[in-house]
Amino acid sequence: RKEVEQDPGPFNVPEGATVAFNCTYSNSASQSFFWYRQDCRKEPKLLMSVYSSGNEDGRFTAQLNRASQYISLLIRDSKLSDSATYLCVVGGSWGKLQFGAGTQVVVTP
Amino acid sequence: SQTIHQWPATLVQPVGSPLSLECTVEGTSNPNLYWYRQAAGRGLQLLFYSVGIGQISSEVPQNLSASRPQDRQFILSSKKLLLSDSGFYLCAWTFRDRALGYTFGSGTRLTVV
Repeated sequence: RKEVEQDPGPFNVPEGATVAFNCTYSNSASQSFFWYRQDCRKEPKLLMSVYSSGNEDGRFTAQLNRASQYISLLIRDSKLSDSATYLCVVGGSWGKLQFGAGTQVVVTP
Repeated sequence: SQTIHQWPATLVQPVGSPLSLECTVEGTSNPNLYWYRQAAGRGLQLLFYSVGIGQISSEVPQNLSASRPQDRQFILSSKKLLLSDSGFYLCAWTFRDRALGYTFGSGTRLTVV
């Protein structure tokens, strides 16, 4: 079983719509959680950290459910520029992060 | 502010040739450093990580090696490349004592031919 699992998508989203997707993680002792964004042929970039109480950054909302061991990301009012692959990331030991394979989001006009 | 530099951006190497990729971090000290590889259409695979000079931990047995000769320098090497070594190599750093996300370098796209 993979440590971090994501639906690869693609999620095809009309511009202005809302899209949400989850990832699940296997290590119940994980303490840090993040969402990264990766554009085609570019390095991943930190989108937001995920806190236990849930947090919002503009149009992006992240939630953490420790009991069920999943993290979610919701994007409101999708923009064409939101098209990317979103990586779910979970913190392990020695500062190591485990990356999911990513969920592709395609925002269409 | 902290910056991370990685080079070269693109590399085409023949099978059996050596490899050396370099990564440096500026604006901080004692960072944790990481080498990842991303094969085409796949997720990130952790190759090596280092918590200090000369300290290297390997995650995946293979024909690659890593070294950390200076606090903010991390080098990925191979004596003889295989076709399967092709991929997108990413260096990353994070603060040693904080549960913060990584910052990645811009990556090296390696094609072994």
